[in-house]
Parts: sequence; structure tokens; C-alpha cells
Amino acid sequence: DTGVSQNPRHKITKRGQNVTFRCDPISEHNRLYWYRQTLGQGPEFLTYFQNEAQLEKSRLLSDRFSAERPKGSFSTLEIQRTEQGDSAMYLCASSFSKDTQYFGPGTRLTVL
Amino acid sequence: QKEVEQDPGPLSVPEGAIVSLNCTYSNSAFQYFMWYRQYSRKGPELLMYTYSSGNKEDGRFTAQVDKSSKYISLFIRDSQPSDSATYLCAMNQNTGNQFYFGTGTSLTVIP
Repeated sequence: DTGVSQNPRHKITKRGQNVTFRCDPISEHNRLYWYRQTLGQGPEFLTYFQNEAQLEKSRLLSDRFSAERPKGSFSTLEIQRTEQGDSAMYLCASSFSKDTQYFGPGTRLTVL
Repeated sequence: QKEVEQDPGPLSVPEGAIVSLNCTYSNSAFQYFMWYRQYSRKGPELLMYTYSSGNKEDGRFTAQVDKSSKYISLFIRDSQPSDSATYLCAMNQNTGNQFYFGTGTSLTVIP
């Protein structure tokens, strides 16, 4: 399967813990996006990488959230001191042009 | 006002019906328009994308963009039960990297 992959698929954590998610984009794609999606809503943009550079972050993104893309390949999204409101599906997408993007299966986070 | 507005439905149609899904937007700078299908607890799957006003057809799917009215549509012909899913519209502008999504329309096709 050469699509976007995300790990883990599910994560259950206790409030206050740190969690880290990984995204492996389609290999030739230099653009990588992170989104958050809650029930009944569309994906909400979090951040964008072009190669290893983080070029855009949502102004809604709390400073508890940090993302990296070392060497322009896979990316990680870390949430520190998780809160119950962080419970959501975290989606990664990649592309080689700005007219579309391809999504991974998502990581479902539950904060107890 | 949200950047992209989409009726959440739910929409229920009999098998074989023509389905029309719509989104409106407020930002006239949007130039790229996409439609995604999302099954429950899965990631969105790209169905169609288009750059300009007009129609684009792919099998049973037709995407329509009217930039003058800031209105986009997705038509599904001969709808099948397997088309039952949430349909998301998305768009962005040439000068930005952020994609804006509608809330999604839930569609059920009844056999």
C-alpha cells in the first residue's frame, strides 16, 4: 500500500499525559498537512509543511501542540498535557501540488 | 461567517436516484475545489478536484463550480448503497496553503 499511513490508529490516554502521532506521507509528496476532525465537523487545519519547513500554523493551534518533519519525510504531531477537549480524529494528508491532497486513515485520540 | 458552508443533511435517497450535494463559500480568492467521501471512522477519500468554473465529469460523478455565485456542486448519478457516506467539499486559494472544509453532508442510499 503506497498511500498515506498513520500510527497509531487509536490512542487512549489520561488527561495530562503527552501523546505523539506519526504520519508517513506518499513518498514523492513534499507537502504535508495535519488536521483535527471532531464528530459532525469537517477537518480543521492545524499545520502545513513543505519538505522539512513548517510554513503555516493555525492561529487556533495551542502551544501544547507541536509538529515536526525531520528530513522532509515522515512527520510527528505531539500534544503535551492532553485535555479532554483534545479528543478527536487527527488526520494527516500529503500532496505534490496545491490543487489536492490525499488523506491517511487518521489517529483517533480519546482523552479520559 | 464560516469560510465554507455545507448543509449537513442527513440526505436519504432511493437507489438509482440522482444526488445533488452543494457548498457555498465567501472567499472569492478560492481557486481550487475538491470533493471527498468519508466513511464512518475512516480518513477522507478524494473523489474529484477542479480548478476552474464549469463542469468536470468522472464516471457517475460530476463536479460543478460557479465562481460568480461562489457555489459548487457534486452530482451523483445512479446512486448505489455503497455511496452512503459523508461528502465533504474543500477549497483553497492560490496564495495560501490552508485548505478549508465544509462540515460534510451525510448521505444514505436506500436499496
